[in-house]
Amino acid sequence: EVVLTQSPGTLSLSPGERATLSCRASQSVSVNFLAWYQQKPGQAPRLLISDASTRATGIPDRFSGSGSGTDFTLTISRLEPEDFAVYYCQQYGSSPLTFGGGTKVEIK
Amino acid sequence: EVQLVESGGGLVQPGGSLRLSCVASGFTFSSYWMHWARQAPGKGLVWVSRINTDGSFTDYADSVKGRFTISRDNTKNTLYLQVNSLRAEDTALYYCVRQAPHKPLDYWGQGTLATVSS
Repeated sequence: EVVLTQSPGTLSLSPGERATLSCRASQSVSVNFLAWYQQKPGQAPRLLISDASTRATGIPDRFSGSGSGTDFTLTISRLEPEDFAVYYCQQYGSSPLTFGGGTKVEIK
Repeated sequence: EVQLVESGGGLVQPGGSLRLSCVASGFTFSSYWMHWARQAPGKGLVWVSRINTDGSFTDYADSVKGRFTISRDNTKNTLYLQVNSLRAEDTALYYCVRQAPHKPLDYWGQGTLATVSS
C-alpha cells in the first residue's frame, strides 16, 4: 500500500500569499498518477490536479502541481479568500487507492 | 451536467446492514469505473471500493473486505454498496465517485451518512 504523508498539517497564511503543500509517498507513485483535491466544509471534494501536474477543467491557473516519483507539491501562487480549505493528495496508480491525511489552509 | 446522488444511509445498530445507492446522470454511466469513498466525521478521505464498467471486476479496502459488496446496474445508471456487519468505525459520509480509466476520481456526489450506534 502506498502511504501518502502530507505536510504541514495546517498552513496559516494571509490572502495574497503563496501556499506550498507537500505530499510524500512511501514508494514511487505509478505513472505519476497523483491527484490533488480541495474540500470546503460541508462540501464534497473537488478535483484540482491530475497526473501530478495537469489542472482539471475550470481550475484557475494560480493552482499548480509538480513532482514525480515520491515527492509532490501543490502550489497556490496567490491565495484568494475562497482558497481557504482542506487539500488532499491521492494516488490512483495502484490498489488500494490512498489519500493523504490532508493539509488545512487557514486564514492567518 | 454530471450528477451523482447517493441515498440509503441512516442509523443502524452494530452488526446491522444498509444498502447504499447512487444514481448517476449527465454522462454515459456504463463507460466509467465507479468508486465508493468515505469520510468519518471530522476526519480525512478513505477509499472503500471500486468496480469496473461492466461489473466483472471489483476491489476493496482491507478494512471492508468480506463485509461490503459493490455492484452496479448499467440499465438503471445506478451504483450500489451493500454494507453488512457494520461497526462503529464504519460511521461516515459515503461518497459515490466517478473515474475514467487511468484518470483520477473526477466527480463526487454529496454523500449519504451512515451512523452505526446502539
